[in-house]
Amino acid sequence: GAGVSQSPSNKVTEKGKDVELRCDPISGHTALYWYRQSLGQGLEFLIYFQGNSAPDKSGLPSDRFSAERTGGSVSTLTIQRTQQEDSAVYLCASTQGLNYGYTFGSGTRLTVV
Amino acid sequence: AQSVTQPDIHITVSEGASLELRCNYSYGATPYLFWYVQSPGQGLQLLLKYFSGDTLVQGIKGFEAEFKRSQSSFNLRKPSVHWSDAAEYFCAVGPKTSYDKVIFGPGTSLSVIP
Repeated sequence: GAGVSQSPSNKVTEKGKDVELRCDPISGHTALYWYRQSLGQGLEFLIYFQGNSAPDKSGLPSDRFSAERTGGSVSTLTIQRTQQEDSAVYLCASTQGLNYGYTFGSGTRLTVV
Repeated sequence: AQSVTQPDIHITVSEGASLELRCNYSYGATPYLFWYVQSPGQGLQLLLKYFSGDTLVQGIKGFEAEFKRSQSSFNLRKPSVHWSDAAEYFCAVGPKTSYDKVIFGPGTSLSVIP
């Protein structure tokens, strides 16, 4: 596609429910990253995928968070048993190479009530 | 430890005035350096990047940044600010040799007074 697409753009969920956030990167971009941006905060790294390598999960805040990338393209970030502190904007980015910088999606705003 | 510092949480400038946003980093080797802008309600957009060579780099929207190795700094500048420049600005550093994550600073919020 023309850009990085994220869905849904907004998600309101009840505490304790599971949610899935989707990211469709730019075609041909081999690396995909998930970040979280809490209100008034910077970007917190969560996880990244590069080609067929094992993902770097070092930023996932708890075992309630998981992500997968199918076929080297679309990625899904899953949050189980959501908590209020999970409320944030979840940003996905992809890149075709180290020297290109990231192309970000518009994000999914998650609100846990 | 790898980190990015943006000392100014919030800056207010008058339209037409010059602007400098500070960025300092701590990294094991000379990294790739980036500035991103996030306008209200928008995603992050790459303003400019530095990899090697000329330490003064030009970006979009009239922005430039200067890499100073001795100071581990990569400050962003603009000679004359426009009201549309009001946004959040993030400095970021990333590795040159792997797809390891880019580390972002906490951001500087810019307000522009007409």
